Amino acid sequence: EVQLLESGGGLVQPGGSLRLSCAASGFTFSSNAMTWVRQAPGQGLQWISSIGASGDATYYADSVKGRFTVSRENSKNTLYLQMISLRVEDTAVYYCAKGRVGALDYWGQGTLVSVSS
Amino acid sequence: QSALTQPASVSGSPGQSITIYCTGTSSDIGGYDYVSWYQQHPGKAPKLMIYDVTNRPSGVSNRFSGSKSGNTASLTISGLQAEDEADYYCSSYTSRSTRLFGGGTKLTVL
Repeated sequence: EVQLLESGGGLVQPGGSLRLSCAASGFTFSSNAMTWVRQAPGQGLQWISSIGASGDATYYADSVKGRFTVSRENSKNTLYLQMISLRVEDTAVYYCAKGRVGALDYWGQGTLVSVSS
Repeated sequence: QSALTQPASVSGSPGQSITIYCTGTSSDIGGYDYVSWYQQHPGKAPKLMIYDVTNRPSGVSNRFSGSKSGNTASLTISGLQAEDEADYYCSSYTSRSTRLFGGGTKLTVL
């Protein structure tokens, strides 16, 4: 059974940093691209970043480029999202999902990031 | 990039069929057969319902179907059931190697 478990969310002040993790199991992690999607309270889904299977290719939405860094550790079956210079508008539930170009076929349950003073 | 365009809400009675349209551009929906649809119940993670325009993942009811014409994709749900009440999001790969989502459509089963 495919499982994705996000962690690392919490309350942070504007300008602060946070690192999210996504622990994967039930599939060959090192053979699959991965994606981060967020959802602000009461709002829709927003793609923010994807990474290729080997980690050599990364992609970002304009709204987070230069502030967020996606990475992965295939030996640990773990995906990361390093977030710096956080803004109030980054407040959202952050989901990791399996896939990139085509379908996002499995999603984690999400982790809440709240940016507030 | 702007989000794909979906109606904010649709509704239908049990047993009826509804269609949700999702409009993009030639740089996303019109340029690739990488359109997918997601169902999200309140407080839950999104669930993949349709991928690559027309394909259903294993376990998804055949009451759900997808299609595309030009820059517009659509999701049709036939034989509406109470459990179908949820938010639905379309998504497409883009020419910038990014992904766009629609703003979401709230389906109400009357």
